[in-house]
Amino acid sequence: DAGITQSPRYKITETGRQVTLMCHQTWSHSYMFWYRQDLGHGLRLIYYSAAADITDKGEVPDGYVVSRSKTENFPLTLESATRSQTSVYFCASSGLAGTDTQYFGPGTRLTVL
Amino acid sequence: GNSVTQMEGPVTLSEEAFLTINCTYTATGYPSLFWYVQYPGEGLQLLLKATKADDKGSNKGFEATYRKETTSFHLEKGSVQVSDSAVYFCALSRYNQGGKLIFGQGTELSVKP
Repeated sequence: DAGITQSPRYKITETGRQVTLMCHQTWSHSYMFWYRQDLGHGLRLIYYSAAADITDKGEVPDGYVVSRSKTENFPLTLESATRSQTSVYFCASSGLAGTDTQYFGPGTRLTVL
Repeated sequence: GNSVTQMEGPVTLSEEAFLTINCTYTATGYPSLFWYVQYPGEGLQLLLKATKADDKGSNKGFEATYRKETTSFHLEKGSVQVSDSAVYFCALSRYNQGGKLIFGQGTELSVKP
């Protein structure tokens, strides 16, 4: 299906475990983004990527790792999950920086016990 | 730094009431401004946007005007419906900062029949 998808949609894990959240888009958009959504904070940028093999930190990157070997995929890895990383994670993509619309995936709800 | 401030919610209105959600921003230069909407259990979707001063974005009866003199982008709708119940996010982005979105904290709107 065309669009932007995220998997899994729900994930429960334990403190200290590694977790990878997947994001896939079918538009060949150059830009991809990872945000986390927490009550009282709105959405905050974790990492973003301007193209394959080009990534940069956002506002809250600590504890997260990203890679982008292919234009369409942008996985987010929590190397050693902590309870403070319990959140809803959204992936987004856009064709251009700045004025272009960002299209969001449906989100992954992650709970760290 | 860049930031966005929205009026706090929740906002509760009766059907057909007039809606205003205030949004002000702090940014150097000329950011693009966006309103995104999040329906329960879903990702964010673009509602409207404006890319330069005095532009008016509009969609589905919602409007917002980019006011550089007051650094504001208030969202308005003349007559709300129950189906407008959602969380509304104001956001800005700048081309020379990778197009990443900076969000306000979100305003929950509940419309009662």
